[in-house]
Amino acid sequence: AQSVSQHNHHVILSEAASLELGCNYSYGGTVNLFWYVQYPGQHLQLLLKYFSGDPLVKGIKGFEAEFIKSKFSFNLRKPSVQWSDTAEYFCAVILTGGGNKLTFGTGTQLKVEL
Amino acid sequence: ETGVTQSPTHLIKTRGQQVTLRCSSQSGHNTVSWYQQALGQGPQFIFQYYREEENGRGNFPPRFSGLQFPNYSSELNVNALELDDSALYLCASSLDSTNTEAFFGQGTRLTVV
Repeated sequence: AQSVSQHNHHVILSEAASLELGCNYSYGGTVNLFWYVQYPGQHLQLLLKYFSGDPLVKGIKGFEAEFIKSKFSFNLRKPSVQWSDTAEYFCAVILTGGGNKLTFGTGTQLKVEL
Repeated sequence: ETGVTQSPTHLIKTRGQQVTLRCSSQSGHNTVSWYQQALGQGPQFIFQYYREEENGRGNFPPRFSGLQFPNYSSELNVNALELDDSALYLCASSLDSTNTEAFFGQGTRLTVV
């Protein structure tokens, strides 16, 4: 069964620090990859997604992610975080042609301190 | 706001009872998926409804069932509630069954005592 691993469960950064959140998936076939964010008290919302093409994808609010097929990874990055980036971040995968369910990682709680 | 609304926002039930959760999908979306998010975990896929038919199911027992109506709104029903059913239940709607962009509601927090 496909699975998604997020290795950092809690991350604390100072404003302006750089961010990288790890995400690895277990399936060897073709996948669609997503990062979702949940700000305090708000619904889950899509940050960015990768289906095909350029493995470096840019999303909202200055976030980007790089798909490295050989490493089964889709890490999320931001060069300079802001206090407003404090949220929980979820990596998710859909198996292309193999169904329709989003498989989520356990999430990374990011706290950005002033 | 995503346009996906869920009701109620919070619910407390007793073990053994039954519960119905509701979801209104975003306008123009014909697919609704339900997820269970336990504390400290990521959302887990329960099932998906596409044009009123179940279209995929996760590893949940049959006491988790659902419906989708002609207006594409949906219900999640859970029978014989167990303590472990306590979780945040999320509904997500999408344009089609490929789920390539899912829009989530704010969820229903269910507590089973």
